[in-house]
Amino acid sequence: DGGITQSPKYLFRKEGQNVTLSCEQNLNHDAMYWYRQDPGQGLRLIYYSQIVNDFQKGDIAEGYSVSREKKESFPLTVTSAQKNPTAFYLCASRSAGLGAEAFFGQGTRLTVV
Amino acid sequence: QQPVQSPQAVILREGEDAVINCSSSKALYSVHWYRQKHGEAPVFLMILLKGGEQKGHEKISASFNEKKQQSSLYLTASQLSYSGTYFCGTPGGGGATNKLIFGTGTLLAVQP
Repeated sequence: DGGITQSPKYLFRKEGQNVTLSCEQNLNHDAMYWYRQDPGQGLRLIYYSQIVNDFQKGDIAEGYSVSREKKESFPLTVTSAQKNPTAFYLCASRSAGLGAEAFFGQGTRLTVV
Repeated sequence: QQPVQSPQAVILREGEDAVINCSSSKALYSVHWYRQKHGEAPVFLMILLKGGEQKGHEKISASFNEKKQQSSLYLTASQLSYSGTYFCGTPGGGGATNKLIFGTGTLLAVQP
């Protein structure tokens, strides 16, 4: 079955540690996205990638980094520079173009203590 | 700039109607609508590509006013299954058609 998979579902880290969230898709989509979700703030774009080996900052990229070495994979690293990393993170993918819908993973809830 | 949705939250009784608005300070080239159940992934509802376009999906429909940079989602005769958070989404424009940004969200609760 085609889809987009995020792992893990829940993640706990100590303050000051970097952590990497996984996102894999087998939909053959060119574009992939990372969003952060906080109560009352909707989905905010962190980074997106339109093609392998290329990615662009979203609206809240500070404290995050990504890579796109393979079409199927778009991992997100939350660095120690991110001041408030506890949140629900969603990965999405879609084909190129205005009319293409986005498919989302089930999300990773990150808690930093 | 993130599109602004209104209202932020709405509570309905089964069978009542609701309208959710999405307003952007930038030009809209297309509008997506998604619904998210608590703790789950957002699910696609519909896309509107042209100004003035209206689409329907069972008792859920939407309109897109390109000139006003707005879109509205209409839920009629609401059902318990309509509960969730609704998001509008739009490609960023300025040539960045793959930059998909989402609105602030509207929490809809349908009660028996």
